Amino acid sequence: GAVVSQHPSRVICKSGTSVKIECRSLDFQATTMFWYRQFPKQSLMLMATSNEGSKATYEQGVEKDKFLINHASLTLSTLTVTSAHPEDSSFYICSARDPGTFYEQYFGPGTRLTVT
Amino acid sequence: AQTVTQSQPEMSVQEAETVTLSCTYDTSESNYYLFWYKQPPSRQMILVIRQEAYKQQNATENRFSVNFQKAAKSFSLKISDSQLGDTAMYFCAFMTKVDSNYQLIWGAGTKLIIKP
Repeated sequence: GAVVSQHPSRVICKSGTSVKIECRSLDFQATTMFWYRQFPKQSLMLMATSNEGSKATYEQGVEKDKFLINHASLTLSTLTVTSAHPEDSSFYICSARDPGTFYEQYFGPGTRLTVT
Repeated sequence: AQTVTQSQPEMSVQEAETVTLSCTYDTSESNYYLFWYKQPPSRQMILVIRQEAYKQQNATENRFSVNFQKAAKSFSLKISDSQLGDTAMYFCAFMTKVDSNYQLIWGAGTKLIIKP
């Protein structure tokens, strides 16, 4: 089956620093990847949709300059949280769309970000 | 705008019992996809079952089945012979097209606890 990996699984950073999260499709090429944020005991909130080779489309209310998304290859998308603050602490999940269908998404295991 | 509603924040049943999780949605589209995802304590999102709206037959995957009522815009998940490993958050999701991308609209989730 299709596998999506995320790295790191956990990261702790100091306030004001930047942190990069990688999302990789391991055995398929993903033209479209999604980034979600999940607060404790809540549902997934779509942050942005990234298409390979083009700029990401951000959802309303998501700061583009704070959450930089790069989808430079068909197997890798990155989310960089810039100038992180404690309120950015959250669980971040990426998913990749199955290239064979338009409706199937495969999810990464998530990254827990803690900003101190 | 499309919305997905899960009215049961938490449910608890004994092992081997059958449990039904409810989900309603609102859309003006005629053709779409509906999903149930499971998020166990590991927080890895796992696809449980998928239903295509143009198919009248309810989808089934082993112990998991859905009751899809298109006119009522209802999409409930039935878990038969529940197992301890079924303990998880369950999310209902609706696939919609936004601009040129297909996105998932998520319900708030139902926490399911299977008791031994």
